[in-house]
Amino acid sequence: DTGVSQNPRHKITKRGQNVTFRCDPISEHNRLYWYRQTLGQGPEFLTYFQNEAQLEKSRLLSDRFSAERPKGSFSTLEIQRTEQGDSAMYLCASGTSLWGTDTQYFGPGTRLTVL
Amino acid sequence: EDQVTQSPEALRLQEGESSSLNCSYTVSGLRGLFWYRQDPGKGPEFLFTLYSAGEEKEKERLKATLTKKESFLHITAPKPEDSATYLCAGSGSARQLTFGSGTQLTVLP
Repeated sequence: DTGVSQNPRHKITKRGQNVTFRCDPISEHNRLYWYRQTLGQGPEFLTYFQNEAQLEKSRLLSDRFSAERPKGSFSTLEIQRTEQGDSAMYLCASGTSLWGTDTQYFGPGTRLTVL
Repeated sequence: EDQVTQSPEALRLQEGESSSLNCSYTVSGLRGLFWYRQDPGKGPEFLFTLYSAGEEKEKERLKATLTKKESFLHITAPKPEDSATYLCAGSGSARQLTFGSGTQLTVLP
């Protein structure tokens, strides 16, 4: 399977703990995006990388959130001091700048539950 | 601020009963209008990208069309396996996608 992969698929944590999610994009894709989705809503943009550079961050991405893509391949999203409001599905997507399209392909997501 | 609105929120159809889903958008410098299908507990699955008004794309029982203000997803003779949430999104001057809240489609046998 050469699609976008995310780990873990599910994470349950207690309020105040730190969590880290990983995303492996489609191998030839240089763009990587993180979104958050809550029940009954569409995904909301969090941040975007082109290669290893983080080019955009949403105002939704508070200072408790940090994302990295150290070698332009996989990416991690860390949430520090989790709050119950952080409970959501965290989605990763990848795309390529090669053909002038913004089409993004999504992974299966990581479901976070903060108790 | 970019905005995408989908209607209806939910739609129940009998198998074989054709219908359309609506997506209204206000996206600055629209670069593309996207349709995705999402099954419960899974990530969105890419269906179509539309780039300019008048463009149409088809895949099996689905056809997507685009005007300057709206996009439609037409479902012809749907089957129960077409049941899912259909998401519409636009990309503009910023590279990220702005999504609507989706239309939850249920096709009854």
